[in-house]
Amino acid sequence: DSGVTQTPKHLITATGQRVTLRCSPRSGDLSVYWYQQSLDQGLQFLIQYYNGEERAKGNILERFSAQQFPDLHSELNLSSLELGDSALYFCASNGRDSYEQYFGPGTRLTVT
Amino acid sequence: LAKTTQPISMDSYEGQEVNITCSHNNIATNDYITWYQQFPSQGPRFIIQGYKTKVTNEVASLFIPADRKSSTLSLPRVSLSDTAVYYCLVGDNGYGQNFVFGPGTRLSVLP
Repeated sequence: DSGVTQTPKHLITATGQRVTLRCSPRSGDLSVYWYQQSLDQGLQFLIQYYNGEERAKGNILERFSAQQFPDLHSELNLSSLELGDSALYFCASNGRDSYEQYFGPGTRLTVT
Repeated sequence: LAKTTQPISMDSYEGQEVNITCSHNNIATNDYITWYQQFPSQGPRFIIQGYKTKVTNEVASLFIPADRKSSTLSLPRVSLSDTAVYYCLVGDNGYGQNFVFGPGTRLSVLP
């Protein structure tokens, strides 16, 4: 158990819909990262937040957005969903001055 | 960001030592080399990190030559449970770090 929690575990929704994925980092960790992993694309970095502020952006689509709240949990919002958005979405966290990222169990999103 | 190249897959047998090499020709001065392990449908798990020469922990060793253009993850005496995908990442440890996971190396350990 990494200490990072993600909800929900599974999500099935239809094209065009909007969903919100939630992540709670390890206690005390200020950084949260979001990744997308689909079968044909591998693990793709989406975005990083540090203590509530966006710190780095990767291959995140405009239809996707994220935020980190004062209690440090983070949400990833996916809108206008397409079939190709079906994937595992991982959240990771690490602390200040730490290089090791701790990954959550992931949310499996299926868009039908 | 330094790009990494690893073998797509490797096979080994239980009890053998496995060495997975990663190439990173344009590694920057501030970059560290980090390896993660991922089992199916689970998040990646940190294995080891190094900057130069050799680093060893309880699960693996990491060998980095002087030019740092490659690195080798060494797994001693693998077991079936080491079957997983192994990712090599290169980047600095500063804030705003942008981890780029390549396709990784799929290691299959056979009985």
